[in-house]
Amino acid sequence: GDSVTQMEGPVTLSEEAFLTINCTYTATGYPSLFWYVQYPGEGLQLLLKATKADDKGSNKGFEATYRKETTSFHLEKGSVQVSDSAVYFCALSDTGRRALTFGSGTRLQVQP
Amino acid sequence: KAGVTQTPRYLIKTRGQQVTLSCSPISGHRSVSWYQQTPGQGLQFLFEYFSETQRNKGNFPGRFSGRQFSNSRSEMNVSTLELGDSALYLCASSPGRGLTGGQETQYFGPGTRLLVL
Repeated sequence: GDSVTQMEGPVTLSEEAFLTINCTYTATGYPSLFWYVQYPGEGLQLLLKATKADDKGSNKGFEATYRKETTSFHLEKGSVQVSDSAVYFCALSDTGRRALTFGSGTRLQVQP
Repeated sequence: KAGVTQTPRYLIKTRGQQVTLSCSPISGHRSVSWYQQTPGQGLQFLFEYFSETQRNKGNFPGRFSGRQFSNSRSEMNVSTLELGDSALYLCASSPGRGLTGGQETQYFGPGTRLLVL
């Protein structure tokens, strides 16, 4: 079945540091890939997505590229802010199914 | 547009009881999905409804059920509650118009936090 593996957290960075959160996946079809973010006490917000190989999703300075050859969708940001502190989830949905499979989440803590 | 709304936001029940949670999707969205979030199991897909029909189902026991109404609003029900059902239950909606449903973005509500004592 489908699965998503993302790096364990927490990840602790200083403000303006470079961020990478690794995400790899296993899927039987041609999945779409997503990054969602969850702030304390809230639901999930879509951060970015990519629906086919080599697509790059980007939003609010975050980027991720759909790499079919390495089955990866790593999240990057060049300069993090304290306000980026949250839990980040990598997810996929397989062809034709509106059912997201999530990774375990990575908590990011950004210190001033 | 208003976002996805869920009621109630917090709920406390005792073992053996049943509970019904409600979700109102974004206006115009026809697909509603439900997810369970726990510290141990993470985020898991429960089921998806589209045009009042269950289209996809996750790996949960039959105590978990749902339905969707003609206005796309959805409810989920958990019967015979167990301690392990304590979780944040998230509802998500998507337009439901694309043939390749997997490409659609799902928009999440704030969740209902259920505590079973």
